[in-house]
Amino acid sequence: SSELTQDPAVSVALGQTVRITCQGDSLRSYYTSWYQQKPGQAPVLVIYGKNIRPSGIPDRFSGSSSGNTASLTITGAQAEDEADYYCNSRDNPWVFGGGTKLTVL
Amino acid sequence: QVQLVESGGGLVKPGGSLRLSCAASGFTFSDYYMSWIRQAPGKGLEWVSYISSSSSYTNYADSVKGRFTISRDNAKNSLFLQMNSLRAEDTAVYYCAREGGDGYNLYYFDYWGQGTLVTVSS
Repeated sequence: SSELTQDPAVSVALGQTVRITCQGDSLRSYYTSWYQQKPGQAPVLVIYGKNIRPSGIPDRFSGSSSGNTASLTITGAQAEDEADYYCNSRDNPWVFGGGTKLTVL
Repeated sequence: QVQLVESGGGLVKPGGSLRLSCAASGFTFSDYYMSWIRQAPGKGLEWVSYISSSSSYTNYADSVKGRFTISRDNAKNSLFLQMNSLRAEDTAVYYCAREGGDGYNLYYFDYWGQGTLVTVSS
């Protein structure tokens, strides 16, 4: 199966914009989905498809994709956005990125 | 509202067996593919297995193939994972998750349970 590569850790100042990226060959064929996971909790879907937010997800979360790279952008990061973020794609048959730990300073 | 509730986790010795269950409610269970996804302590997410809506198709990660069996009972809105020949590296929180998508190039896990912890240790 293919792999999805994420930066292990990213930090952002409170109220600023941060981009979390995910790279992998499967992203050329399938849309990426993004999940937020806070300590001790189950993952929560935050973005899927062509920048679709499930009900209840703030509009500061957005997604984009180009070639083999997908991005999750948080515009105006809040303290409650501090979490681990995972990308995911359908590929033989499923693959997750290694996760990015987001710290809000 | 959609709910997924896992059960059946616990402490088991290497080589032992365990059966996990996931009780679904709030949606038409028989319409959806379902998956098991696990997370070892301090590690990332790893997809384990999926089953199609009518149980016609199943698939497994290489790490569990031949040892784990996924199944479902649509009449009881339940998903199962039979885990045999357990190893220390199978220690993880196991989540059941509902699959969404268009069957073409859009796929995602839109609902997850809270997980059940499986610990394999002597």
